[in-house]
Amino acid sequence: DIQMTQSPSSLSASVGDRVTLTCRASQSISNYLNWYQQKPGKAPNLLIYAASRLQSGVPSRFSGSGSGTDFTLTITSLQPEDSAIYYCQQNYHSPYTFGQGTKLEIK
Amino acid sequence: QVQLQESGPGLVKPSQTLSLTCTVSGGPISSGTYYWNWIRQPAGEGLEWIGRVYSSGTTNYNPSLKSRVSISVDTSKNQFSLKLSSVTAADTAVYYCARANYYDSSGYDTSGYFDYWGQGTLVTVSS
Repeated sequence: DIQMTQSPSSLSASVGDRVTLTCRASQSISNYLNWYQQKPGKAPNLLIYAASRLQSGVPSRFSGSGSGTDFTLTITSLQPEDSAIYYCQQNYHSPYTFGQGTKLEIK
Repeated sequence: QVQLQESGPGLVKPSQTLSLTCTVSGGPISSGTYYWNWIRQPAGEGLEWIGRVYSSGTTNYNPSLKSRVSISVDTSKNQFSLKLSSVTAADTAVYYCARANYYDSSGYDTSGYFDYWGQGTLVTVSS
C-alpha cells in the first residue's frame, strides 16, 4: 500500500495568516492527490483534486501544489471557519489511502 | 444535486455481519463515470477506504478487508450496499458512502476523487 504522511500533525494559527500543510507519499503518485477538510461530526469535504485543481464552490484561498511524492495545501488569509482536520488522499493506486490528518486550530 | 444517505443497524454483535445501504438521490446511479465507495473512520482516527462498486457490478476491495467484505449495487433502487462479515470491536466506526468521480467538468481524467459523501452512520460492534 502507498503510505501517506502528513505534517505537522497539528498547528495553530491566527485569522489572516497563511498556512502550509504538507503531505508525502511513500512512492511517486504523479498528481493523483486530493485534499479534504473535515469538521467535527461531519463527512470530509473535497477541497482540491488532482493536486492543484480547486473543487467547485471551494474558496480561492485554498490552493494545492506538488507532484511525485511531495504535496502542499496552502490556505491564505485564514478564516475562523477553516478550523478543521485536513486529510490528503492518493488515488494513484488501489487501495486508496489517506494521510493521518493535520488538525488546524484558529487562535 | 447528488445526495447520499447511509442506512442500517447501529449495533452489530461480534462475529455477525454488518450490513449497510447507501441510497443515492439526484441522479441515476448508473449514469456517468462514477464509482460508488465505502469508507470508514474509527472514532478519533483517520479514514480507511473499504472498497467500491461500479454500476455494472464490478468491484474493488481493500486487501486488508477483502476476505470479509462484499459491495453490491442495485440500480433499480438507486442503491449500493456493504456487507462486512465476522465483525469485531475493531470494526466499530463511522461508515461513509461516497461517490468517486473520474472526470472533472473539463473532461480531465482524475482517476477518481470523492466528491459527494453521505453524512455517515455510526456502527458499534458490541454484545
